[in-house]
Amino acid sequence: GAVVSQHPSRVICKSGTSVKIECRSLDFQATTMFWYRQFPKQSLMLMATSNEGSKATYEQGVEKDKFLINHASLTLSTLTVTSAHPEDSSFYICSARDPGAGGKETQYFGPGTRLLVL
Amino acid sequence: GDSVTQMEGPVTLSEEAFLTINCTYTATGYPSLFWYVQYPGEGLQLLLKATKADDKGSNKGFEATYRKETTSFHLEKGSVQVSDSAVYFCALSKAGGTSYGKLTFGQGTILTVHP
Repeated sequence: GAVVSQHPSRVICKSGTSVKIECRSLDFQATTMFWYRQFPKQSLMLMATSNEGSKATYEQGVEKDKFLINHASLTLSTLTVTSAHPEDSSFYICSARDPGAGGKETQYFGPGTRLLVL
Repeated sequence: GDSVTQMEGPVTLSEEAFLTINCTYTATGYPSLFWYVQYPGEGLQLLLKATKADDKGSNKGFEATYRKETTSFHLEKGSVQVSDSAVYFCALSKAGGTSYGKLTFGQGTILTVHP
């Protein structure tokens, strides 16, 4: 089946630094990818929709200057957490939409990236 | 706005027990409904889905029926195994327009199955 990878799987950084997380679709082209954030023992919250070749669409309450999204190709989207602070520590998950054949659209999720900001 | 509510966990069962995890939703229009599973240390995987009223999604012995009259999509399995231990998420997606593909998740239910 389709696979979505994320890199890195885990990152620890100092407060004030920026962290880039990559999301790749490995065997299909994804014009649309999604970025979610998951707090411990809570659900996934959609942060933004990443569209290849255009600006990302952010959900209400998500700072676009804080969480920079770039969808440079049909297989890669990146999320950069700028000037990270301890409250940004979380589990970040991406998903990629495979349009499929015959309208059988499916979303595949990456394994997630654990960010810890000290 | 759209929302999904799942029964609170954690749920602890013995092997071969019957499982039900309740899920209800609030949405305008006709959403598609999903159950995702997250095994320890792994990403979310689609377990099953239903795209219209009265559809039944099934996979790996799990079933859920799209009930529009009760706005529900309860997950069931007749006999759980230890390997079913995971976190289960109910979700909905709206087709069309700018909402296409965006998933709204419930809070997740932790299932632990003991031998």
